Amino acid sequence: EPEVTQTPSHQVTQMGQEVILRCVPISNHLYFYWYRQILGQKVEFLVSFYNNEISEKSEIFDDQFSVERPDGSNFTLKIRSTKLEDSAMYFCASSDAGHSGNTIYFGEGSWLTVV
Amino acid sequence: DAKTTQPPSMDCAEGRAANLPCNHSTISGNEYVYWYRQIHSQGPQYIIHGLKNNETNEMASLIITEDRKSSTLILPHATLRDTAVYYCIVRVAGGTSYGKLTFGQGTILTVHP
Repeated sequence: EPEVTQTPSHQVTQMGQEVILRCVPISNHLYFYWYRQILGQKVEFLVSFYNNEISEKSEIFDDQFSVERPDGSNFTLKIRSTKLEDSAMYFCASSDAGHSGNTIYFGEGSWLTVV
Repeated sequence: DAKTTQPPSMDCAEGRAANLPCNHSTISGNEYVYWYRQIHSQGPQYIIHGLKNNETNEMASLIITEDRKSSTLILPHATLRDTAVYYCIVRVAGGTSYGKLTFGQGTILTVHP
């Protein structure tokens, strides 16, 4: 069964450093998303991306964050100048279409710890 | 987004059916009901979704009331591996919010031996 894969599974970084989280969406999918979950809290939407553009972003997704599809297979989330409160599990997701009847599939997550 | 209400926790005996309820009284006519689950801190796993009709797949069945104001996820023969947090989500239709799933606290389902 096709799946969304994410790397790294766990990253520890120092406060103020830049982090790039990588994702390989399901191969025929065109819509990509990032979500995050702070330990013990809800899963929160960050951003959706289609046709090399951000479609929607939450208020969490400020100038510290950026997304990119650098090639035909990868989708990345960059966090500049990380803060302690950025420590969370970050989930990449994808879907084959933008209709609400099309399922969004999630990866297993990248656990980011900022120290 | 239409708000969903789920019980915070439920128990189920292994081998029995687990019936997880969800209320979504403000759902709009073109909004889908999705169910996901999350085991420990793994990524949310898609289970099933529906619009108006009842749905069944290899994992579960989804029963949606005729007025669409509530639904029930049924795991027909629960196993210990079904212990997880189950999320009922109403998915916004149209516009640019198609990818924004709003997760609540969900229902913690504990399956006992």
